[in-house]
Amino acid sequence: GENVEQHPSTLSVQEGDSAVIKCTYSDSASNYFPWYKQELGKRPQLIIDIRSNVGEKKDQRIAVTLNKTAKHFSLHITETQPEDSAVYFCATNAGNMLTFGGGTRLMVKP
Amino acid sequence: NAGVTQTPKFQVLKTGQSMTLQCAQDMNHEYMSWYRQDPGMGLRLIHYSVGAGITDQGEVPNGYNVSRSTTEDFPLRLLSAAPSQTSVYFCASGGRGNTIYFGEGSWLTVV
Repeated sequence: GENVEQHPSTLSVQEGDSAVIKCTYSDSASNYFPWYKQELGKRPQLIIDIRSNVGEKKDQRIAVTLNKTAKHFSLHITETQPEDSAVYFCATNAGNMLTFGGGTRLMVKP
Repeated sequence: NAGVTQTPKFQVLKTGQSMTLQCAQDMNHEYMSWYRQDPGMGLRLIHYSVGAGITDQGEVPNGYNVSRSTTEDFPLRLLSAAPSQTSVYFCASGGRGNTIYFGEGSWLTVV
């Protein structure tokens, strides 16, 4: 089945700095790549997604890039704020299922 | 429009007991799924369904049953609860295009 690896597992940045989280996947048939943010005790919430016919997508301070040839995609958060502190999950689709990476705990220090 | 609704939010079971976690969605989504999330861990797929009458196993199906008699509902049954099933359970649903939305979660403790 699909294997999704996510790095780093923890990331600490200073407020205002940028944060980058990377994921690699194994199934070349994957064509949908969402990112979810999960705050402590809450449900995962979709923050941005990208499909395989697009190389980059931006939404305000958040961007996702996709390299289908290398089978990796990344989440970029610019001008980080304390409220960005959470666990972030990448995912890919393999057929009808979404397979998630192991998560990255982002800590933004004021 | 309530989205994805899960009940109960919290439950304590004794080893060997059975119970059902309920999940309902009002978005007419075809795809529904159940994930479990252990403390500090990622999301692991238990079972999923691509439409009424169709279910399939995910990564960690043992000890759980599901059914999909209607588009709206996708209950998860624990047949004989074990301490290893202590976890947070998330139901999710999605339409065409793979975007899925999660319910608020059900915190289950098996003692």
